[in-house]
Amino acid sequence: QSVLTQPPSVSAAPGQKVTISCSGSSSNIGNNYVSWYQHLPGTAPKLLMYENNKRPSGIPDRFSGSKSGTSATLGITGLQTGDEADYYCGTWDSSLSAGVFGGGTRLTVL
Amino acid sequence: QVQLVESGGGVVQPGRSLRLSCTASGFTFNIYAMDWVRQAPGKGLEWVTIISYDGSNTYYADSVKGRFTISRDNSKNTLYLQMNSLRGEDTAVYYCARDPNAVAGTGYYYMDVWGKGTTVTVSS
Repeated sequence: QSVLTQPPSVSAAPGQKVTISCSGSSSNIGNNYVSWYQHLPGTAPKLLMYENNKRPSGIPDRFSGSKSGTSATLGITGLQTGDEADYYCGTWDSSLSAGVFGGGTRLTVL
Repeated sequence: QVQLVESGGGVVQPGRSLRLSCTASGFTFNIYAMDWVRQAPGKGLEWVTIISYDGSNTYYADSVKGRFTISRDNSKNTLYLQMNSLRGEDTAVYYCARDPNAVAGTGYYYMDVWGKGTTVTVSS
């Protein structure tokens, strides 16, 4: 059971928009910044978003992030087949003194 | 270019030990905190441990506390994970990752560079 809760899967058609939610508590998301990662099996995870809504260099603006209270959301617009991957939210949990991830969300582009 | 390369994985019997290494290149290793993250077969990412830029602070997941030890040698640009008393549930791909913060465990926590991972299989 992950400390952060994500939907197991989401899907949408090419060109459409999808959002992935990440729910936590005051000891993690509520008081710390959230990051998002894209992971394709057999490859290194890739940072998509940090400090809630900042994109690293090279990440297109089709990807966006937001946070409200103890929840965060990753948005992806203009879906492409290459976006099919597992997506994880992450943050620090101040009560556990530990890094925490969501359980991951598999994105399928139909 | 900025790169992290893990090594040291393999097949090990339950109860035995293994040490993983992560060699950094292309950046100033001694100003970054570093993490280990793992992914068991069919499971999601699981954070394992973090060490501050100078090795002075470390934190561990409850699942490995008391069995795993993270350390670093800044003169060799290398991060280590000593894994003792290994169990079947430790079977996973182990990734090292860079945390842009120097101090471990801040509210600005994230990982911006990842290695490709090394596989650890615990089996008799």
